[in-house]
Amino acid sequence: ETGVTQSPTHLIKTRGQQVTLRCSSQSGHNTVSWYQQALGQGPQFIFQYYREEENGRGNFPPRFSGLQFPNYSSELNVNALELDDSALYLCASSSRGSVDEQFFGPGTRLTVL
Amino acid sequence: AQTVTQSQPEMSVQEAETVTLSCTYDTSESDYYLFWYKQPPSRQMILVIRQEAYKQQNATENRFSVNFQKAAKSFSLKISDSQLGDAAMYFCAYKEGNNRKLIWGLGTSLAVNP
Repeated sequence: ETGVTQSPTHLIKTRGQQVTLRCSSQSGHNTVSWYQQALGQGPQFIFQYYREEENGRGNFPPRFSGLQFPNYSSELNVNALELDDSALYLCASSSRGSVDEQFFGPGTRLTVL
Repeated sequence: AQTVTQSQPEMSVQEAETVTLSCTYDTSESDYYLFWYKQPPSRQMILVIRQEAYKQQNATENRFSVNFQKAAKSFSLKISDSQLGDAAMYFCAYKEGNNRKLIWGLGTSLAVNP
């Protein structure tokens, strides 16, 4: 069974640029959630995708957008990067169900200069 | 709005001893789930244990157990026979039954001393 993978591991961008982060879900999972974890904080929910549709969104501006593909992998896109976007971005996959136990990838560390 | 509070930013324990990490939450819902996740320096969030709110029995996974006090909205994690590999950030998280997002506490950094 393949776990959740994310790419890239680290990324450095400058203010105003755009970035795309990628996530491959665990085998058998059809739901992907994205979280932003600032240094010293708990993760904050960005949004979730189920069967290629956005299925819930946290308090993040529209410049945070996403996609889910037919194979259930997902992308997180952030436009017009700001310094405060510097964080660890976590992807979690799960199967649709009441518990919705989420399995996390290793994260992408984004630094915005 | 639902909130999760972890009041201990840092804790330490001697190897082989027992430590308890605290978590309280606020909700008006009756159907929800609680989780403890561990985040080692490798950054990957690992599920330690989960508790369904409708279950009165406290969850146990090997050396890890919880003390779930529903009326008090308390969900503490007990780690018995602590090992060096238990050193990590521990996060308490909450999820409503029909909602998809996890709501997280700020975490507790656990150090295990040899």
